[in-house]
Amino acid sequence: ETGVTQSPTHLIKTRGQQVTLRCSSQSGHNTVSWYQQALGQGPQFIFQYYREEENGRGNFPPRFSGLQFPNYSSELNVNALELDDSALYLCASSTNRDGTQYFGPGTRLTVL
Amino acid sequence: KNEVEQSPQNLTAQEGEFITINCSYSVGISALHWLQQHPGGGIVSLFMLSSGKKKHGRLIATINIQEKHSSLHITASHPRDSAVYICAVRVTGKLIFGQGTTLQVKP
Repeated sequence: ETGVTQSPTHLIKTRGQQVTLRCSSQSGHNTVSWYQQALGQGPQFIFQYYREEENGRGNFPPRFSGLQFPNYSSELNVNALELDDSALYLCASSTNRDGTQYFGPGTRLTVL
Repeated sequence: KNEVEQSPQNLTAQEGEFITINCSYSVGISALHWLQQHPGGGIVSLFMLSSGKKKHGRLIATINIQEKHSSLHITASHPRDSAVYICAVRVTGKLIFGQGTTLQVKP
């Protein structure tokens, strides 16, 4: 158990819809990173938040956005869903921007 | 060419065998992580390395910064070690992941 939780565990949406995924970090973890993992692939970095501000972003379009809250929770929002957005979405928290990351169990998103 | 390459992609071993998984990278890094992912998705961080060698139980991780290469070794492998092992490098605040090595240890 890493102490990082994600909700929901599974989600089915249709193309064009919007989705919000949630992550609850360990207390004291001021950094959260979000990753997308397509089936059979390694995770891809979406973005990182540090003290409620975006601290780095991977090669994802602006329709992927996030928020981090003072209570160590965070959100990943995806607008205008596409079929290729179907993946496992992982969040990981850490005590600083370069520290060991503690991963949540992931949210599996299916876009039909 | 991917910035992080792992080999082999798939590995089958008999219980008790010594296992090595390799990771090569082509970018400057501040640290390298070895991660374990079980079916269903959960990822556990095994090691974070910036130099030398680390050991935890039956797992050993080494890194050669000059050669841009790291290895993960498992001694006395066990069926419960069956999982996907992922190498990830830290570059300016983000992690770049390898494709993973799927390990199956047979009893």
